[in-house]
This record gives sequence, structure tokens and C-alpha cells, in this order.
Amino acid sequence: DAGVIQSPRHEVTEMGQEVTLRCKPISGHDYLFWYRQTMMRGLELLIYFNNNVPIDDSGMPEDRFSAKMPNASFSTLKIQPSEPRDSAVYFCASALLTVSYHNEQFFGPGTRLTVL
Amino acid sequence: AQTVTQSQPEMSVQEAETVTLSCTYDTSESDYYLFWYKQPPSRQMILVIRQEAYKQQNATENRFSVNFQKAAKSFSLKISDSQLGDAAMYFCACLTQGGSEKLVFGKGTKLTVNP
Repeated sequence: DAGVIQSPRHEVTEMGQEVTLRCKPISGHDYLFWYRQTMMRGLELLIYFNNNVPIDDSGMPEDRFSAKMPNASFSTLKIQPSEPRDSAVYFCASALLTVSYHNEQFFGPGTRLTVL
Repeated sequence: AQTVTQSQPEMSVQEAETVTLSCTYDTSESDYYLFWYKQPPSRQMILVIRQEAYKQQNATENRFSVNFQKAAKSFSLKISDSQLGDAAMYFCACLTQGGSEKLVFGKGTKLTVNP
């Protein structure tokens, strides 16, 4: 398996622009997570899905952020409009909730977002 | 709410020596999992070791082992025979059961391995 795939790996945009980050989870996994990593706040969970349904979006910072999972193999995180304080590394992770996996989350390589 | 605290922002160790990274956590749940993740400069988050709270035996993965003190809510990571490739950020994380799959991370410890 290729692991969790994220695109793009790097994104540079200007304030006010729309940004869309993409994630393909590991095939067969039923959980998908979006995290944000910054120096100040560390790793924060933004939202997670179970079987394509958003379960907890309490970490989404504000209405400018939205996430969708239209099917089991694809998810997007959109920021509109983007602001310089959104600059961070965004990680997607997936998991399969079974005893044998012990709830391990598998992370993608991350997308480094820079908003100028 | 869960919290995870890593009190050592940075640590260093000589190659081939042993180092211990500290982590404390706070949760009101009785059923939970603890993890150590490694993040090298490539940014990739890599699972190092996991511990189920209901298991008393400390987890071990090759040169990596944990000291799990449930009563003290402490979960330290010991790296034996340190190698240059161990240099990375290390994150302690806690995941509670009971309907939520939220993984809460500590702020991380930057480990430097000196040749």
C-alpha cells in the first residue's frame, strides 16, 4: 500500500485566496483525520470522519475552514479566504478501528502551507 | 479533557548512549492508549511504540522501550544504543476510548544525537 497520500506537498498563496488540500487515505481505513501543526500550538486535531461522516469538527478554527469526505478514498480541507496565520503544516491521517491495529493512526507526509 | 505534557523541549545524547524522554498525561478515562511518534526533518510522523493502558507490562520495540507508570500518569520513552538516525522530534500522544478517536499530542521533544 502507498500509505496516506497528500497533495500538494507545498502550497504558497496570497492572503484572500482559496486553498484546497487533498488527502487519499489508506484503502480500507474507516477513519480520517485532519491535523494542523504550528510552532506555537503544536499538533492540533481539526476534524475527523468515520465512514465518510464528520464526527467531531470542534477543532476547526473558524468558518473559513471546511472539510469534506465525498467517498472513502478522498477528502479535502478548504480554507477560504486564507490568512497569513493559517500558515502551517497540515497532516492527514487514517486509521482502521480494530483490536489488532490498536487504533494506530497512519500519517501522510503533510502539506506545508504558506500564506503571504 | 485530556492533556499531554512533555517537559523537555530539547534533549541531546551521545551516539551509542541511552536517553529517556519524559511524558505525563491527564485523562479521566480508564481505557486509553499511549503512543510515541517520531518526526524526522522529512516531517513524516512515524509511530515508534504504543502502550495499552490496561496492560501492566511495558512495551518494547527493539531499542525503544517505555516506562509506563499508570498511577503517576507517566509514560517515558527510553532509547538505547542511540543512533544518528534517531535524531528527530518525538511526540507523546494519548487516545481515549469511549466513542472518541481524538489523539491528543504533547508539544514535542527535539532529540539531538551527537557523534
